Amino acid sequence: GAGVSQTPSNKVTEKGKYVELRCDPISGHTALYWYRQSLGQGPEFLIYFQGTGAADDSGLPNDRFFAVRPEGSVSTLKIQRTERGDSAMYLCASSSRPWAEQFFGPGTRLTVL
Amino acid sequence: EDKVVQSPLSLVVHEGDTVTLNCSYEVTNFRSLLWYKQEKKAPTFLFMLTSSGIEKKSGRLSSILDKKELFSILNITATQTGDSAIYLCACIQGAQKLVFGQGTRLTINP
Repeated sequence: GAGVSQTPSNKVTEKGKYVELRCDPISGHTALYWYRQSLGQGPEFLIYFQGTGAADDSGLPNDRFFAVRPEGSVSTLKIQRTERGDSAMYLCASSSRPWAEQFFGPGTRLTVL
Repeated sequence: EDKVVQSPLSLVVHEGDTVTLNCSYEVTNFRSLLWYKQEKKAPTFLFMLTSSGIEKKSGRLSSILDKKELFSILNITATQTGDSAIYLCACIQGAQKLVFGQGTRLTINP
């Protein structure tokens, strides 16, 4: 595709529910990143995939957060037992090679009531 | 701990003014510094700076990196209302992730 796409654009859920956020990177980009951005802050790193494997998941806040990229393209960020503090904009980015510029998708705004 | 600090946090100027946005960093295994513009949702890539002292330019925007003093500036000349946005500075560090500053909110008044 022309750019990184993310679905849904908005997600409202209730505390305790499970959510999945999807990211479709730029075609041919092997590196994929997830970030979380709270209001008034810069994005914070969550996890980085090189191909199908998670090369660095040091930013995942706890074991309720999990991400997969089974075929090395589309990735899904999964959040179990959501809490109000998980409310944020979740951004996905991809790059064509290591340490190259990252291109961001439009984000999914998650609201946990 | 890796740290990227931007200043000012907020800036309001009139159309036609020139602005300078600042970014200082302390990042382990620093690789490159990037500038992004964020309007409503997705940060849009502006510049990637890897070498010290080499200015990168795109239209009215320019940026330069000083690896000795650990900072970068983003200049915007002849500002327009369409330049109103949050400008984010980020560093790529050894593990390939981006470490972001908190952003500068720039408002251009007509």
